[in-house]
Amino acid sequence: AQSVTQPDIHITVSEGASLELRCNYSYGATPYLFWYVQSPGQGLQLLLKYFSGDTLVQGIKGFEAEFKRSQSSFNLRKPSVHWSDAAEYFCAVAPISSGSARQLTFGSGTQLTVLP
Amino acid sequence: DTEVTQTPKHLVMGMTNKKSLKCEQHMGHRAMYWYKQKAKKPPELMFVYSYEKLSINESVPSRFSPECPNSSLLNLHLHALQPEDSALYLCASSQGMGPTLFGPGTRLTVL
Repeated sequence: AQSVTQPDIHITVSEGASLELRCNYSYGATPYLFWYVQSPGQGLQLLLKYFSGDTLVQGIKGFEAEFKRSQSSFNLRKPSVHWSDAAEYFCAVAPISSGSARQLTFGSGTQLTVLP
Repeated sequence: DTEVTQTPKHLVMGMTNKKSLKCEQHMGHRAMYWYKQKAKKPPELMFVYSYEKLSINESVPSRFSPECPNSSLLNLHLHALQPEDSALYLCASSQGMGPTLFGPGTRLTVL
């Protein structure tokens, strides 16, 4: 069965520091890969996605992620964190399908705290 | 219009009430979803509609009843809920190889 692991439940960084959030997946084949961010009481906002092609993906708000097939990883990075980045971050995967509907499998999430 | 909207934002209901959550998207997406999210947990899939037909029901209790009146609308009818059903209910939509986009959610409290 497919699974997604986010090893870090909680990460604290200082404002201006770099950030890396880890995501590992277990899947039969390379799936679609997503990172979402959720502020308290809000819905999920898509940061970036990987379907195929270039393994370094650029997203919104200065985030990027690198797909590494050999490590089954899709880690999220940001070179300089802003206080507004404090939120919950979810990695998610979905099977590659030609159909319209897909089932996302989410990791357990990483809570990011940003210190001033 | 590139977003999913949900109403109401907040809902408080008693265990004997009947209420409905509404979701709307005008992006031409043919797949729509309901997720339930408890605090500090990832979203859990409840229902999937594909081309207005229910394609996945993740063993959700019958007190939750989904409806897809047309390709832009998705409803979730609630009846005889339990306090443990209190959660954030998220609607989402997707199309083809595009990403799954989520609405802002409805915060439901069952008294």
